[in-house]
Amino acid sequence: DAGVIQSPRHEVTEMGQEVTLRCKPISGHDYLFWYRQTMMRGLELLIYFNNNVPIDDSGMPEDRFSAKMPNASFSTLKIQPSEPRDSAVYFCASSLRGQITDTQYFGPGTRLTVL
Amino acid sequence: AQSVAQPEDQVNVAEGNPLTVKCTYSVSGNPYLFWYVQYPNRGLQFLLKYITGDNLVKGSYGFEAEFNKSQTSFHLKKPSALVSDSALYFCAVRRPDSWGKLQFGAGTQVVVTP
Repeated sequence: DAGVIQSPRHEVTEMGQEVTLRCKPISGHDYLFWYRQTMMRGLELLIYFNNNVPIDDSGMPEDRFSAKMPNASFSTLKIQPSEPRDSAVYFCASSLRGQITDTQYFGPGTRLTVL
Repeated sequence: AQSVAQPEDQVNVAEGNPLTVKCTYSVSGNPYLFWYVQYPNRGLQFLLKYITGDNLVKGSYGFEAEFNKSQTSFHLKKPSALVSDSALYFCAVRRPDSWGKLQFGAGTQVVVTP
């Protein structure tokens, strides 16, 4: 298995632009998580899905952030408009509840820089 | 509410010496506890978990962790550290009824010197 795939790996954009981050979970996994990692705030859970349905979006910082999962193999995290304080590494992770261990498998991350 | 604390920002150890990374937690009920490792420019990788049973849990790469309920701790250990163990280590906790929602600690940077 290729693992969790994220694209792009790096994104540099200007303040006010729309940014879309993409994630392909491990095939067969039924949970998908979006995290943000910064030096100041550490690793934060933004939102997670179960069977393509958002379960908890309480970590989404504000209305500028939105996430979708149109099917079991694809999810997006969108920031519109972007701001410099959104600069961070964004991780996607997936897991399979049937494993009981609920081990989360992380993608390599997208490093976002907003100028 | 659930929380996890990693009291040390960085741990320095010489290669071949024992390595300990500390973690304490606060959660109602019986916790599920995890350790993850992050190498530079990579995503987090699962090391080990405690769900129930034996308090000593063995994981990947020779790591183990001991669950101590009275001290609410879940310290990560390795008897003999390698330079390649240098990485950022995260402890995480969740409540049994809160599937999937892990609370991560701030992370501890481990530096192993030759």
